[in-house]
Amino acid sequence: DSGVTQTPKHLITATGQRVTLRCSPRSGDLSVYWYQQSLDQGLQFLIQYYNGEERAKGNILERFSAQQFPDLHSELNLSSLELGDSALYFCASSGTPERDQPQHFGDGTRLSIL
Amino acid sequence: DQQVKQNSPSLSVQEGRISILNCDYTNSMFDYFLWYKKYPAEGPTFLISISSIKDKNEDGRFTVFLNKSAKHLSLHIVPSQPGDSAVYFCAASEGNAGNMLTFGGGTRLMVKP
Repeated sequence: DSGVTQTPKHLITATGQRVTLRCSPRSGDLSVYWYQQSLDQGLQFLIQYYNGEERAKGNILERFSAQQFPDLHSELNLSSLELGDSALYFCASSGTPERDQPQHFGDGTRLSIL
Repeated sequence: DQQVKQNSPSLSVQEGRISILNCDYTNSMFDYFLWYKKYPAEGPTFLISISSIKDKNEDGRFTVFLNKSAKHLSLHIVPSQPGDSAVYFCAASEGNAGNMLTFGGGTRLMVKP
């Protein structure tokens, strides 16, 4: 158990819909990262938050957005969903970004678009 | 453009023998390298890491070697156990481990009893 909690575990929805994925980081971790794992792209970095502020952005689509709340949990919002958005979405957390602390991953949310 | 590559999609090893998983990278700005293990239906689990200022790091049965001039790293597992059967991902970051990770495509290791 990594200590990172992601809900829901599975999500099935239709094209054009909007969903919210939730992540609770390990106790004491201030950084939250979101990654997408699709069959053809592998694990791809989406976005990072540190202590409530956006810190880094990867290849995240404009239809996707995220935020980190004062209690440090994070949400990833995916809108106008397309078939290609079907993937595993992982959240990871770590302590202070400046230190060499590895990222610890949750078990992911499997999103299926029908 | 794949900056981190794991050229072997799968590897089969006998229990008790050494498993060697390889990873190549192209970005010379990478400073920190990590190996993660992933079981089905679970998230990646951190195994071991190495900073670019070192060429070797050891933790129990796991050793990671870094060859900066060749832009190559490897993970050695000795002795291999059936419970080590999983997908192994190599990852790299610029600056430190707190920055975004770039992952390789993974190598599926099967350890046969």
